[in-house]
Amino acid sequence: ETGVTQTPRHLVMGMTNKKSLKCEQHLGHNAMYWYKQSAKKPLELMFVYSLEERVENNSVPSRFSPECPNSSHLFLHLHTLQPEDSALYLCASSQRVNTEAFFGQGTRLTVV
Amino acid sequence: SQQGEEDPQALSIQEGENATMNCSYKTSINNLQWYRQNSGRGLVHLILIRSNEREKHSGRLRVTLDTSKKSSSLLITASRAADTASYFCATDPTGGGNKLTFGTGTQLKVEL
Repeated sequence: ETGVTQTPRHLVMGMTNKKSLKCEQHLGHNAMYWYKQSAKKPLELMFVYSLEERVENNSVPSRFSPECPNSSHLFLHLHTLQPEDSALYLCASSQRVNTEAFFGQGTRLTVV
Repeated sequence: SQQGEEDPQALSIQEGENATMNCSYKTSINNLQWYRQNSGRGLVHLILIRSNEREKHSGRLRVTLDTSKKSSSLLITASRAADTASYFCATDPTGGGNKLTFGTGTQLKVEL
């Protein structure tokens, strides 16, 4: 248990669906991240939030839309995804950007 | 392009042996971090070494950093079956903005 909780753990969605991934941390951290992990590829940084402001948007397609309503919660809204978007989506938080990161267990997303 | 690259990609050893993994990176860094990931789960932070440090220990883990060669190594001594996992290095590049960049990882298998 790292203190970072992601829901749901597994998600299967069709290409026309809209769904959201949720991440929650009560560690008092100021930075939160979304990463995408696909097989045989390095972890891809998608978004970084620092003090609820988006500070990094790593050329992610607009079908992925992040939201950080407060310092404890981070969402990733998904719509009209493609099968190649199937992956493990990991949320993380850290005290400050680029310091020791605490990861959630991930959401295994399958797009059919 | 990715910043950190781990070597070897896969390593299989017997319980009780030592395991050494290497990480090479391309640009100057503020710190380098090692993480561990059990299959399909989130990453767990193991150790952080700053650019002005050369060696750091944590239990059975020993990390070295050679900034002149832009490389780091992770040594796990007296390995156990429970050490079976993927190990990643991540770098915080100087002037690199808000990106903690991961490599593709080393898959370690410790056999009984």
